[in-house]
Amino acid sequence: SQQGEEDPQALSIQEGENATMNCSYKTSINNLQWYRQNSGRGLVHLILIRSNEREKHSGRLRVTLDTSKKSSSLLITASRAADTASYFCATLPPNNDMRFGAGTRLTVKP
Amino acid sequence: KAGVTQTPRYLIKTRGQQVTLSCSPISGHRSVSWYQQTPGQGLQFLFEYFSETQRNKGNFPGRFSGRQFSNSRSEMNVSTLELGDSALYLCASRYAVNTEAFFGQGTRLTVV
Repeated sequence: SQQGEEDPQALSIQEGENATMNCSYKTSINNLQWYRQNSGRGLVHLILIRSNEREKHSGRLRVTLDTSKKSSSLLITASRAADTASYFCATLPPNNDMRFGAGTRLTVKP
Repeated sequence: KAGVTQTPRYLIKTRGQQVTLSCSPISGHRSVSWYQQTPGQGLQFLFEYFSETQRNKGNFPGRFSGRQFSNSRSEMNVSTLELGDSALYLCASRYAVNTEAFFGQGTRLTVV
């Protein structure tokens, strides 16, 4: 069964704008990860944030984690058409395997 | 270094048949996980193997099985195929349980 839920399900923005996606989950976790998937291909790892971290940056990506609210957000700044993809959060509960949310479909218009 | 390799990339099978999918993880990675992805259900966890042992299992019927070999390569088998088994099957390898996962390109299975 899925652990996380992304919000919104779909997001459409113009190139240059920022995109924010949210993820909520239900159980305690060791870490939370964000992945990108282009058109039914394999997933590509973007960033991992541990349960004792609150914020992490990687290039144009910024991830926050609030374990008290069991939620995370992914911010993509200055978006590009190439950022068009589906984005998934994956949670890693203790003694279990990664569980994925349903994903957010991001469309960046040139 | 080479990424995760899944074979075959595409497969068409008839209901009632069985199928075996293969996954070669990144060299040095001992953990291999399998996921089923469908438009309706999203990414569903099937099972995870670590050093030839199944460590976790998702909520799938016994028709879905897997194994891992001593070289960390993994196979999953689906017997008595049903139309609903049509999906993209993804394999992911990790160095350790708390690290990032690297995914293969997937095997697109169509059951007719």
